[in-house]
Amino acid sequence: EVQLVQSGAEVKKPGESLKISCKGSGYSFTSYWIGWVRQMPGKGLEWMGIIYPGDSDTRYSPSFQGQVTISADKSISTAYLQWSSLKASDTAMYYCARAREPGIAVAGFDYWGQGTLVTVSS
Amino acid sequence: DIQLTQSPSFLSASVGDRVTITCRASQGISSYLAWYQQKPGKAPKLLIYAASTLQSGVPSRFSGSGSGTEFTLTISSLQPEDFATYYCQQLNSYPGITFGQGTRLEIK
Repeated sequence: EVQLVQSGAEVKKPGESLKISCKGSGYSFTSYWIGWVRQMPGKGLEWMGIIYPGDSDTRYSPSFQGQVTISADKSISTAYLQWSSLKASDTAMYYCARAREPGIAVAGFDYWGQGTLVTVSS
Repeated sequence: DIQLTQSPSFLSASVGDRVTITCRASQGISSYLAWYQQKPGKAPKLLIYAASTLQSGVPSRFSGSGSGTEFTLTISSLQPEDFATYYCQQLNSYPGITFGQGTRLEIK
């Protein structure tokens, strides 16, 4: 069974760093793109970026370039999303999602993590 | 970035109704469009990919059509479990993948 399991909720202060994780299982982790999606409270879905764990090819949405870092450790089938200095406006639910087909990311994302709620408040 | 505009943003309908949601792209995206359903507190669920292909396990009352810049998601006969928010997503230009703003479907 394919699963993406995300790390637990975080409460942080502005200026702190954070790294959240998304562990894949039940499939070949290195063969499928993994994307990250932000959903601010009461708002819609925003695409952040995508990584191919096989070679760590990473591509960011222009809106998030320079704001976050996406990475992956294929030895433990885990993708990451990290911030070096959080802002209150980073408060949101963050989802990881797996591309539907191996090697490409044009056919939607069929498996999603349960989400990680990040709260940034002084 | 390619912008996606969904209409309507809010839709009130009854069980058994046929509903259609439209997604318009700011430039042509061929058939690289997906539709998702999201219920409160849950992750999105893939319904349709490649504009018109039904994802495995999704009821056949859901259908998608379109290509280029205009796309539709149709639910042929609304069921109680279909009341949710629906998003389109274009995948023509990653990294510039984008979502529509969402359509909230509520019970009349």
